[in-house]
Amino acid sequence: EVQVVESGGGLVQPGGSLRLSCAASGFTFSSYVMSWVRQAPGKGLEWVSGVTGSGDSTSYADSVKGRFTISRDNSKNTLYLQVNSLRAEDTAVYYCAKGGMVRGVGLNYYYYYYMDVWGKGTTVTVSS
Amino acid sequence: DIQMTQSPSSLSASVGDRVTITCRASQGISNYLAWYQQKPGKVPKLLISAASTLQSGVPSRFSGSGSGTDFTLTISSLQPEDVATYYCQNYKSAPFTFGPGTKVDIK
Repeated sequence: EVQVVESGGGLVQPGGSLRLSCAASGFTFSSYVMSWVRQAPGKGLEWVSGVTGSGDSTSYADSVKGRFTISRDNSKNTLYLQVNSLRAEDTAVYYCAKGGMVRGVGLNYYYYYYMDVWGKGTTVTVSS
Repeated sequence: DIQMTQSPSSLSASVGDRVTITCRASQGISNYLAWYQQKPGKVPKLLISAASTLQSGVPSRFSGSGSGTDFTLTISSLQPEDVATYYCQNYKSAPFTFGPGTKVDIK
């Protein structure tokens, strides 16, 4: 079964840090782009950050650029999000999500930043 | 950055009604558009990718269309289990923004 499971959330004071983890299973982790998406209480979905399968290219939402760092360890099938300088507005459920893949002609595969598998999320609460 | 907008922000319709949700991108994104359904208290679920490709297991009453900047999600016959918030998402270029969502409920 293809799945991703987040961990590492918690209550943290403003200015604090956390490291979120996402354990993946059931697919060739190193092939797929991965993303973090968050949802503040009662609000919509916000894409936070993404990373390519090899880890050589990352991207961020403007709201977290310079404070959050995405990384992955393909030997452990695990995705990470280091969240620093936390603010009250970072309070949210953080979802890990697997990117999509489209098979092209022959043996060509294309990997995209839509999300076809989501975890249940881990909650980050920033409060004093 | 590409901005995504959706309309309406909410709607109420009767069971069996045809429901249409519109998503607009601030610049052309070809067909790099996904639709998600999030039921209350649940994790988002991918419905459609590439603007019109229905994911496996998604009921055929859902369909997507559009290209460039204007897209639609249609539910051909609304069912009680379709009560949810629906989001579109640009995946052409980072940041891979979501629309603000359209909340659908039953009249």
